[in-house]
Amino acid sequence: QTVVTQEPSFSVSPGGTVTLTCALSSGSVSTSYYTSWYQQTPGQAPRTLIYSTNTRSSGVPDRFSASILGNKAALTITGAQADDESDYYCVLYMGSGISVFGGGTKLTVL
Amino acid sequence: EVQLLESGGGLVQPGGSLRLSCAASGFTFSSYSMSWVRQAPGKGLEWVSSITSSGGSTFYADSVKGRFTISRDNSKNTVYLQMHSLRAEDTALYYCARRGKSMAGTALYYFDFWGQGTLVTVSS
Repeated sequence: QTVVTQEPSFSVSPGGTVTLTCALSSGSVSTSYYTSWYQQTPGQAPRTLIYSTNTRSSGVPDRFSASILGNKAALTITGAQADDESDYYCVLYMGSGISVFGGGTKLTVL
Repeated sequence: EVQLLESGGGLVQPGGSLRLSCAASGFTFSSYSMSWVRQAPGKGLEWVSSITSSGGSTFYADSVKGRFTISRDNSKNTVYLQMHSLRAEDTALYYCARRGKSMAGTALYYFDFWGQGTLVTVSS
């Protein structure tokens, strides 16, 4: 059973930089997992931020960036704003049509 | 403009069945794989199922395998999720999502557009 782990919560000051990570229960995350990242605010559908590890989706500001950091996927928000306060989810593609979501990170901006 | 409109949710008793629909518009539906993703109240997102553009291949999470069936009708621009043997733990908001691909048509294994969801409640 593949488990994808994210920090349950994180806090960042307005204008600050934060890096959220996405790890596999066994093994390292690589570009082969086509990591994608989604932002969700309460009561709203998810919004696609990043796909294929580090490609920003259309309309996503460049203060959102993503990469592989060590053995994890990472989402970095530079110059955090109040409306970045959301839940953030990573998804790894495991092959054979299977995708697995991480548990999500609740980001607080204060 | 890409639009995905889910319907069919509701209250169903444990062991019951329900069929969800997702009507798509604003893009060439028959060219895209589609997926269902759910979110239990207060919980995270969970991938449920995907279907290829032709409907020739389907994929399921272990939690629903053998109970749920995904299908599509490209003439109606609609994807379905037939759910049987429903359990309390299937209670969730069910989102329809389009699978993104490159301009060249290469699968990119992410969800690029989402509907607003339809709520399924399994309770006696």
